[in-house]
This record gives sequence, structure tokens and C-alpha cells, in this order.
Amino acid sequence: GAVVSQHPSWVICKSGTSVKIECRSLDFQATTMFWYRQFPKQSLMLMATSNEGSKATYEQGVEKDKFLINHASLTLSTLTVTSAHPEDSSFYICSARRTGTPNTGELFFGEGSRLTVL
Amino acid sequence: GQQVMQIPQYQHVQEGEDFTTYCNSSTTLSNIQWYKQRPGGHPVFLIQLVKSGEVKKQKRLTFQFGEAKKNSSLHITATQTTDVGTYFCAGPVGYDKIIFGKGTRLHILP
Repeated sequence: GAVVSQHPSWVICKSGTSVKIECRSLDFQATTMFWYRQFPKQSLMLMATSNEGSKATYEQGVEKDKFLINHASLTLSTLTVTSAHPEDSSFYICSARRTGTPNTGELFFGEGSRLTVL
Repeated sequence: GQQVMQIPQYQHVQEGEDFTTYCNSSTTLSNIQWYKQRPGGHPVFLIQLVKSGEVKKQKRLTFQFGEAKKNSSLHITATQTTDVGTYFCAGPVGYDKIIFGKGTRLHILP
């Protein structure tokens, strides 16, 4: 089956620093990847849609300059939380869809990255 | 905007009892997907329904897509402890996005 790897699984950083989270599709190409934020016991909040070779599309209310997304290849998207603050602490999850599948096709999720900002 | 609503938010059932979660969309959906997220884990795709009135089964799980393609349900027969988790429905929006319902957290009482 399709595997999406997300790294790091957890990270603790000081307030004001930046953190990069990687999302890789290991055995398939993904033109489109998605980034979500999930608070404890809550649903998946879509943050942005990441498209290979183009700018990400951010959801309303998500700060582009704070959550930098780069999708430089068909197997890698990165999310950088810049100048992190304690309120940015959360569980961040990525998902990917196989290139060539319908735009409503199955999503494969990474394992998630738990960010704690001190 | 388009919304996908899911109820109930929480469900506690005795092991062996049945469980159902319901999903409703504010608009007609071309398809609907269901995902399961175990505690501490990530969502895993369960199934996709496409046809009006479609019913699909996976062992003890029965998935149904409404005739109007605006609602769906997931029914689990004779729940087991391995069924614990949060079940999300998800529907397409626009060209390539998929939006998720808030999920139903299932807790099994031994």
C-alpha cells in the first residue's frame, strides 16, 4: 500500500524559533499534498493545499507567512512553522493523493508531527 | 460554504453492541469517504462510496450513501475493542480539496 512518511514525529522548540516538518510519499508520486492541524480530540483542520511546483493554497485564516509550505518535488512537501509561539503547539498531519488518480481519490496520511513550543 | 456535519460527536457502547455514525452534507457530493483514526494515530482510509444509494460492507462495517448523495452512515455490528477510535467522513470540495466532518469518537466499554 501507499506510504506517507512524516518527520519529525515530535519536536519541542523554544518560542521564536522555526521548525520544519517534512512529508514524503515513499512509494508513489503526489502532485497534491495537504497539511492539517489537529487539536486534541478534535477534527482535522485543513491548513493548506500543497501543489508540486506551484504556490500552496491556504485556507482562510491561515497565515501564509507563518506556515511556509514548499512542494519542491513529487514526493516531498515541507511545512515550516516560523517564529513559533506556544499557541502553535499542535498535531500537524499531512496527506497525499497519488498523481494520476481522480481529484476525489483516497488520501494517504502521514503519521503526524506533534509540535510543542515552550 | 460547504459543510460536512457528523453526529454524534462521542459514542460510548458496551462491547458487543452496535454503533452508527451519521454524516450530512450541505450540498450533493460526488462521493464520500470514510476514515478511521486510532488514538494517537493518523487517519486511515476505509472506503469510498460513489453511487446514489450505495451500500458496501467490510466485515462488521456497513457503509451507506444516501439516495440524494447528501448523507452517509457507517454502522458497526457487534463492536470490539479494536473498533475504538474516531471515525471521520469526508467529502470533496471544489477541484481537489476534501473536507472532513468533525468525527465521531467511539469508546468501547469492556
